[in-house]
Amino acid sequence: RKEVEQDPGPFNVPEGATVAFNCTYSNSASQSFFWYRQDCRKEPKLLMSVYSSGNEDGRFTAQLNRASQYISLLIRDSKLSDSATYLCVVKIQGAQKLVFGQGTRLTINP
Amino acid sequence: DAGVIQSPRHEVTEMGQEVTLRCKLISGHNSLFWYRQTMMRGLELLIYFNNNVPIDDSGMPEDRFSAKMPNASFSTLKIQPSEPRDSAVYFCASSLRNQPQHFGDGTRLSIL
Repeated sequence: RKEVEQDPGPFNVPEGATVAFNCTYSNSASQSFFWYRQDCRKEPKLLMSVYSSGNEDGRFTAQLNRASQYISLLIRDSKLSDSATYLCVVKIQGAQKLVFGQGTRLTINP
Repeated sequence: DAGVIQSPRHEVTEMGQEVTLRCKLISGHNSLFWYRQTMMRGLELLIYFNNNVPIDDSGMPEDRFSAKMPNASFSTLKIQPSEPRDSAVYFCASSLRNQPQHFGDGTRLSIL
């Protein structure tokens, strides 16, 4: 079983729609959680950290459920520029290494 | 400020040849990470260094792979001899202690 699992998609949604991705992690010692975004043929870039109480950054909302070992990302009022692969990322307590999910591919259609 | 700088951007070479990938960290960063990304396996950590010291190389696939940090701002990842299954995008990332990692543009490697 992979340490971080995501639905690879692809998700194709119309512009303006709300879309949500989920991610599960297997290591209960996971301490920090992130969503990264990767555009086609580009490097991954940090989108947002995920905090226990949930957090919002503009149109993006991230949630963490430690009991279920589950992370989510919600994008409201999606834009064409949101088209990318979204990577769920976990950091284990006491370690610096990041563990990446396979990514969920999102395409926003006009 | 310059970000993480990787070279070359693209490399195409024949199997059996030695391949050297290079990475320059962001100034002031003290942690360096080498990743490999393929369609099948996604983004995998190969090795990481703190203050020039290798901390975890459990992701290095075989003895054909080696990584070094000759100084605090520069690292190399070497594959010798290269094989077609090594074809992938190789990313380098750097960070300061537990701050977020910043990735370079990657090296797209094709072994024929």
